[in-house]
Amino acid sequence: ETGVTQSPTHLIKTRGQQVTLRCSSQSGHNTVSWYQQALGQGPQFIFQYYREEENGRGNFPPRFSGLQFPNYSSELNVNALELDDSALYLCASSFRQGTPSPLHFGNGTRLTVT
Amino acid sequence: SQQGEEDPQALSIQEGENATMNCSYKTSINNLQWYRQNSGRGLVHLILIRSNEREKHSGRLRVTLDTSKKSSSLLITASRAADTASYFCAGNTNAGKSTFGDGTTLTVKP
Repeated sequence: ETGVTQSPTHLIKTRGQQVTLRCSSQSGHNTVSWYQQALGQGPQFIFQYYREEENGRGNFPPRFSGLQFPNYSSELNVNALELDDSALYLCASSFRQGTPSPLHFGNGTRLTVT
Repeated sequence: SQQGEEDPQALSIQEGENATMNCSYKTSINNLQWYRQNSGRGLVHLILIRSNEREKHSGRLRVTLDTSKKSSSLLITASRAADTASYFCAGNTNAGKSTFGDGTTLTVKP
């Protein structure tokens, strides 16, 4: 069973640039969620994708966008980067069907905006 | 706003002692989950308790849920140095969204 993998592991960008983060879901999972975790804080929900459509969004501006592909892998895109976007970005996959399913997290992408 | 708020923020104990962490949440939930995070890495799911359950055990872990008080506790018995990590609770709604608190940082001294 392949776990959740994220790429890249680390990234440094300049304010105003755009970034794309990638996530491969655990095999058999059909839902992917993205979280932003600032230093010393808990993960903040960005959005969730189910069957390639956005299925819930947290309090993040439209410059945060995403995609889920037919193989359930996913991308998180952030435009017009700001210094406050510096954080650990976590992807989590799960299987959605009736009973609640735990989230399986990748090890994240550490984004630094300078 | 945070769905879960953990208490205490930090906890330091000796190996072999028990560690208790508490979590409060604000809105109705379908279930509550506890996760562990080692420094700079992804979260690992520990245990899930449904809203109609009051207590659940898994190995050295014991979780309780009080929906009337909107609170939960995680007890780790006979702690080990390897239990050193941050622990988060997450309330899960019917929409499938999990909302995390800011966690409790546990240090277990050998």
